[in-house]
This record gives sequence, C-alpha cells and structure tokens, in this order.
Amino acid sequence: DIQMTQSPSSLSASVGDRVTITCRASQSITIYLNWYQQKPGKAPKLLIYAASTLQSGVPSRFSGSRSGTDFSLTISSLQPEDSATYFCQQSYSNPRTFGQGTKVEIK
Amino acid sequence: QVQLVESGGGVVQPGRSLRLSCAASGFTFSSYGMNWVRQAPGKGLEWVAVIWSDGNTKYYVDSVKGRFTISRDNSKNTLYLQMNSLRDEDMAVYYCVREYSSSYDYWGQGTLVTVSS
Repeated sequence: DIQMTQSPSSLSASVGDRVTITCRASQSITIYLNWYQQKPGKAPKLLIYAASTLQSGVPSRFSGSRSGTDFSLTISSLQPEDSATYFCQQSYSNPRTFGQGTKVEIK
Repeated sequence: QVQLVESGGGVVQPGRSLRLSCAASGFTFSSYGMNWVRQAPGKGLEWVAVIWSDGNTKYYVDSVKGRFTISRDNSKNTLYLQMNSLRDEDMAVYYCVREYSSSYDYWGQGTLVTVSS
C-alpha cells in the first residue's frame, strides 16, 4: 500500500497569512494526488485534483503543487472560512490512501 | 444538481450484518465509478471499496475483504454496501462518493454505523 505522510498535523495562523500543508507519498504516484477540505460534521469537499487542478467553484487562493513525491497545498491568504481539516489522497493505486489530516485554525 | 443520499446506518451488535444504500440523482449514475469511504469518530478518512460503472469490477480495502460487498443497481440509481460480520473497528460514518477523473468530486452526507453490544 502507498503511505501518505501529511504535515503538520495542525497549525494556527492569522487571517491573511500564507499557509502551506505538505504530503509525501511513499512511492511515485505521478500527479495522482487530491486535496480535500472537511469542516466539522460535514462531508469532505474536493479542492484540488491531479496535484494542481482547482476544482470548479473553489476559490483561487487555494493552489497545489508537486515536486517528485512531495505535494503541497497552499492557501495564499487565509480566510476565516478556511478553518477546517485538510486531507491529501493518492489515487494512483488501490487502496486509495489518505493522509492523516491537517487541522487549520484561525488565530 | 448532484445528490447522494445514504441510508441504512444504525446500531448493530458485533458479528451481525447491515446494508447501506445510497440513492443518487442529478447525474447519469451508470457512467461513474462509485466508492464507499468511512471515517471513525474523531479519526481520518479510509477508503473502503469501489465499483466501476458497469458493476463488474470491484476493489476493497484489505480489512473488509470477505466481509463487505459493494454493488449497484444502475436501473435504480442506487449504490449498496452489504456489511457482514461487523466488528468494533467498523464503527464509522460511511460516505457514498462519486469518482471523477481519479478524484472524489461528490460526497453524500454520510450515515453512521455503530457497532456495540
């Protein structure tokens, strides 16, 4: 199985800050990496697929990038509504594994 | 608009069975692969199973192989998860999820399965 190691597990930042979450795959997954946002009591929401493609309707302050087996989700200017838990997921092979999540809090 | 509505969750004793259903609407159900993803209380996400659009190809996470069966009825726009021999560690919210371009673009609201004696 492909392991996805996500960091940090939590962070606290101020409105307007630039925030970056990283995810490392245990082997090559090419661009098959997705990012989801989950708010308490709600289902996850797709933010970015194929490492860097923004899902329709997602604000442009969210972006994704890849360097080998390292992936990043960046929020360019953190907003209050971005308080949530973020998960990465590889879709290269079954089982489709998720990172352990990053909880983003607003200071 | 795309809607996925799960049902069938509830409280079940260890070793017993439960069948989850997911009613899909707002898209051509028979054209999409469908998944079940679960989330134990306070934990992360775990993919459980996938069924391809024609219903002939299925994959499962190792922990449920031989106990869970994913199926679909394209004439009824419905996805199912038959869960047998339930264990404590199966307790979770189960999400019905549509797959598009190797990502999960639509999720249901989830249905809670509680395994307790």
